[in-house]
Amino acid sequence: QVQLVQSGAEVKKPGASVKVSCKVSGYTLTELSMHWVRQAPGKGLEWMGGFDPEDGETIYAQKFQGRVTMTEDTSTDTAYMELSSLRSEDTALYYCATDMTMIDAFDIWGQGTMVTVSS
Amino acid sequence: QSALTQPPSASGSPGQSVTISCTGTSSDVGGYNYVSWYQEHPGKAPKLMIYEVSKRPSGVPDRFSGSKSGNTASLTVSGLQAEDEADYYCSSYAGSNNPWVFGGGTKVTVL
Repeated sequence: QVQLVQSGAEVKKPGASVKVSCKVSGYTLTELSMHWVRQAPGKGLEWMGGFDPEDGETIYAQKFQGRVTMTEDTSTDTAYMELSSLRSEDTALYYCATDMTMIDAFDIWGQGTMVTVSS
Repeated sequence: QSALTQPPSASGSPGQSVTISCTGTSSDVGGYNYVSWYQEHPGKAPKLMIYEVSKRPSGVPDRFSGSKSGNTASLTVSGLQAEDEADYYCSSYAGSNNPWVFGGGTKVTVL
């Protein structure tokens, strides 16, 4: 059974960067298309980006282009999401999620990583 | 402002039905049959309840059903139970440039 286990909570100052990890168990990362979704306090879900298996590239939501980088380390089955130039509005719970059963929906989610941006 | 529009709240008594709408455009909900619904309990990660408009993943009770008409998708929870009290989010594929959009969420209260 596939599980996604994310890194712990982070507190960052405005202007800094944060890198969140998501370790896969029960599958290998190369078998999955990993995506990142965030949720600001009291707000809805927001897709940030993810791997498109059809063209083999990572696609980023226009809102985050230039500030977000999603990478993978296949040797450790760990995905990473790095967000730079942090501002207070980036305070949110960040999830990794995947479409394990190839049904064009996110059927497996990590537990979430809280990122707080505060001076 | 979320790409898909959901009512902020909905409620029903135990045993009753509640239906949540999710309105988009012809570029997302109306253009593809890739609408999904997620249930989120406080402090928990979202859980997939419906995919491809009306299909249920294994383990999701058949009290949950989905449908779509034009640019609006709907989630119906029949025979409401206490454990159905949660936030529900719709999502839709929206094309290759910006593939996935979500609704703002609907809080379902079981009276």
